[in-house]
Amino acid sequence: AQSVTQLDSQVPVFEEAPVELRCNYSSSVSVYLFWYVQYPNQGLQLLLKYLSGSTLVKGINGFEAEFNKSQTSFHLRKPSVHISDTAEYFCAVSANNFNKFNFGSGTTLNVKP
Amino acid sequence: ETGVTQSPTHLIKTRGQQVTLRCSSQSGHNTVSWYQQALGQGPQFIFQYYREEENGRGNFPPRFSGLQFPNYSSELNVNALELDDSALYLCASSLNRQGGNEQFFGPGTRLTVL
Repeated sequence: AQSVTQLDSQVPVFEEAPVELRCNYSSSVSVYLFWYVQYPNQGLQLLLKYLSGSTLVKGINGFEAEFNKSQTSFHLRKPSVHISDTAEYFCAVSANNFNKFNFGSGTTLNVKP
Repeated sequence: ETGVTQSPTHLIKTRGQQVTLRCSSQSGHNTVSWYQQALGQGPQFIFQYYREEENGRGNFPPRFSGLQFPNYSSELNVNALELDDSALYLCASSLNRQGGNEQFFGPGTRLTVL
């Protein structure tokens, strides 16, 4: 079975500052990793995904994440955040043989002016 | 290309009632997954349908059931509603059931059980 731990439930940050949202996973098989964003009263939107290849993955809205197999981590970063980045962010993992997502409990990113 | 749609947007039911939620998958997608998202939590996998058959189930009781139709749209049925069933129910479609396929999520149905 796969599981995800998002280490920070809330991350407050000032506008134009850098941010890192942390995600650790556990699995006994090869995994695929995803970051989704959820704005208030909306569904989930894919930010980026790691399937294979380069461990540095670039996504939409200036976000990127790095897959670290030895540390079983997939942290999300953005060098300069905007007010509009305020949302809930979910890390998710799926196994290589079944397309079921296991989500973390989410991190609320609160960007302050 | 239309995205994933869900109906209704909001629903209020009383304990013990039954509810049916509907989902239309993205064009070309044959796999639909349902998730329950309680307030302040991440989505929890309920089950997945692939080509009209259940293709995996999470830790949910049998009163949670589903269907997938030939056009790959899907329904989630919940019987004997309990207060803890209050949540956002998300439907997601993907190109197939293999791992690594992006799941496209609908806006969700907010169910309130009183």
